[in-house]
Amino acid sequence: GDSVTQTEGQVALSEEDFLTIHCNYSASGYPALFWYVQYPGEGPQFLFRASRDKEKGSSRGFEATYNKEATSFHLQKASVQESDSAVYYCALTDTNAYKVIFGKGTHLHVLP
Amino acid sequence: NAGVIQTPRHKVTGKGQEATLWCEPISGHSAVFWYRQTIVQGLEFLTYFRNQAPIDDSGMPKERFSAQMPNQSHSTLKIQSTQPQDSAVYLCASSWTGDSYEQYFGPGTRLTVL
Repeated sequence: GDSVTQTEGQVALSEEDFLTIHCNYSASGYPALFWYVQYPGEGPQFLFRASRDKEKGSSRGFEATYNKEATSFHLQKASVQESDSAVYYCALTDTNAYKVIFGKGTHLHVLP
Repeated sequence: NAGVIQTPRHKVTGKGQEATLWCEPISGHSAVFWYRQTIVQGLEFLTYFRNQAPIDDSGMPKERFSAQMPNQSHSTLKIQSTQPQDSAVYLCASSWTGDSYEQYFGPGTRLTVL
């Protein structure tokens, strides 16, 4: 079945560091790709999506580009802040187009 | 807009008891989803309603879990004879149509089965 792999379980950075969280997917069709962020005590929040090859999604300084050849959708931010500390989930919709399959999540800790 | 509302936020049950979790989706959203979140398994899809009709319950444990959506303003997830392994955060989400649209999640209900 379809799946999402996030390489890093935890990432620790200092403020103003550059962030990359790696996301690779496996899907039989042409899925839409998403990034969600989850803060403690809350449900995941939609960050952005991309639906086709080479499309860039972005929000709040975060961005990722759909790479069909590499089957990747890596999250990046040029300068992280302490308030960015949260769990980040890469996700895709499967061939049914409604079922969202989430990666295991990456816990980002940003130190002041 | 209050977002997706879930009640209760926390529920503690004894083994073998029943638990009913409630979800109020965002007004105007036609798709409602239920997920279960645990440390070990992460976020798992349970079931999906569209325009109140059950579309996909492939993630639901068959014997003790059931979900309903009696009207467009609320959905319920019922767990009969709760077991310790049912302890998790149960998340409800809604979206405009369900198809490749972003989902808006509620804060979740933390279920603890003693």
